[in-house]
Amino acid sequence: DQQVKQNSPSLSVQEGRISILNCDYTNSMFDYFLWYKKYPAEGPTFLISISSIKDKNEDGRFTVFLNKSAKHLSLHIVPSQPGDSAVYFCAARTSNTGKLIFGQGTTLQVKP
Amino acid sequence: KAGVTQTPRYLIKTRGQQVTLSCSPISGHRSVSWYQQTPGQGLQFLFEYFSETQRNKGNFPGRFSGRQFSNSRSEMNVSTLELGDSALYLCASSLPDWTAGPSGYTFGSGTRLTVV
Repeated sequence: DQQVKQNSPSLSVQEGRISILNCDYTNSMFDYFLWYKKYPAEGPTFLISISSIKDKNEDGRFTVFLNKSAKHLSLHIVPSQPGDSAVYFCAARTSNTGKLIFGQGTTLQVKP
Repeated sequence: KAGVTQTPRYLIKTRGQQVTLSCSPISGHRSVSWYQQTPGQGLQFLFEYFSETQRNKGNFPGRFSGRQFSNSRSEMNVSTLELGDSALYLCASSLPDWTAGPSGYTFGSGTRLTVV
């Protein structure tokens, strides 16, 4: 049972445009959602997180939106840059635990 | 501030052998979690240790085990290696209050294990 799903394996956007990465979840007990960026043979790098009691969190070019009724979150990157090309994972956790449940990842390619 | 350190970076083992991987968390982090990344299964949670005790365990066979020492360093062990154990093994350390912000859930670079 996959509790966190990223249904788009890949996404290609033009430099300067918006990238929107989506994530769906099934467990209403998740209290935090996190987005990570990952390059091959490296560990995931934290990007941004959002608490389940919020619907939006913004950090520079990155904004995460949470729609609890739809059990859906999205990561917006504006403007997209070629250096953003990587695999993006969304992850979720239940409170006070080190266990993160990851989606399958979306490979983002930003074309110059 | 030093990050999460995993050793070794690369490892090649023969089927049937056992292997031990090491993870040193960020200073002050007391929770260490382990993950397995494979192309087919993505990033999957193995287990979490906090204050030398296993707190959570993922859905992996008993061949996968771990421990945590008093200085929060952690090791994971895989016995009787199978070809399917070839993967990138990642550990993440967390603050004692499991803050989900930039300082929490910091990952190491991983150990690439190849079983032949």
